[in-house]
Amino acid sequence: DTEVTQTPKHLVMGMTNKKSLKCEQHMGHRAMYWYKQKAKKPPELMFVYSYEKLSINESVPSRFSPECPNSSLLNLHLHALQPEDSALYLCASSQDTSQGGDSNQPQHFGDGTRLSIL
Amino acid sequence: AQSVAQPEDQVNVAEGNPLTVKCTYSVSGNPYLFWYVQYPNRGLQFLLKYITGDNLVKGSYGFEAEFNKSQTSFHLKKPSALVSDSALYFCAVKGYSTLTFGKGTMLLVSP
Repeated sequence: DTEVTQTPKHLVMGMTNKKSLKCEQHMGHRAMYWYKQKAKKPPELMFVYSYEKLSINESVPSRFSPECPNSSLLNLHLHALQPEDSALYLCASSQDTSQGGDSNQPQHFGDGTRLSIL
Repeated sequence: AQSVAQPEDQVNVAEGNPLTVKCTYSVSGNPYLFWYVQYPNRGLQFLLKYITGDNLVKGSYGFEAEFNKSQTSFHLKKPSALVSDSALYFCAVKGYSTLTFGKGTMLLVSP
């Protein structure tokens, strides 16, 4: 079992729908991440939250909207997605307090939400 | 800019034989290096990391990795492969900025 929990595990939605992905960790980590992963490819960083504040947005389209309600929760709100957005969306957390700092702590990943856009 | 190269798309090995998955990196300053494994329909699992100290790092599930500064390499090794080791392996480097992953190497262990 992973220590980072993501729901739902699978999601199928139309291009006009609005849905949300959820991520939860109870390890006391203060940094949380969203990644997008295509099949057999490395994860691509989307967003980083540090102490509940958005610290990195890797030029992600506005149809993806992250939210960090508290230090244990991370959401990704989806609206008007495109078929090319179909992918595995991974959440991760780490003890790092600064993504740009000198940190050596590994990231812990959830099992992801597999998203299919019709 | 930092980068990671995994030169092999796939590595095939027979069960019981030693395995090596290759990784080279480029980063300014001291590197923090990581190996992750991904099983089908799962997220990435942390295997081991190199920060400083001994060049041979031991990790989970009997894996180890050898850091070589002069060759800028961080190869993953295991003395005796198991069929259950078959998975996708990612090397990653963290310099001053975000974590950068290699493209991944699929390891297939045959019975």
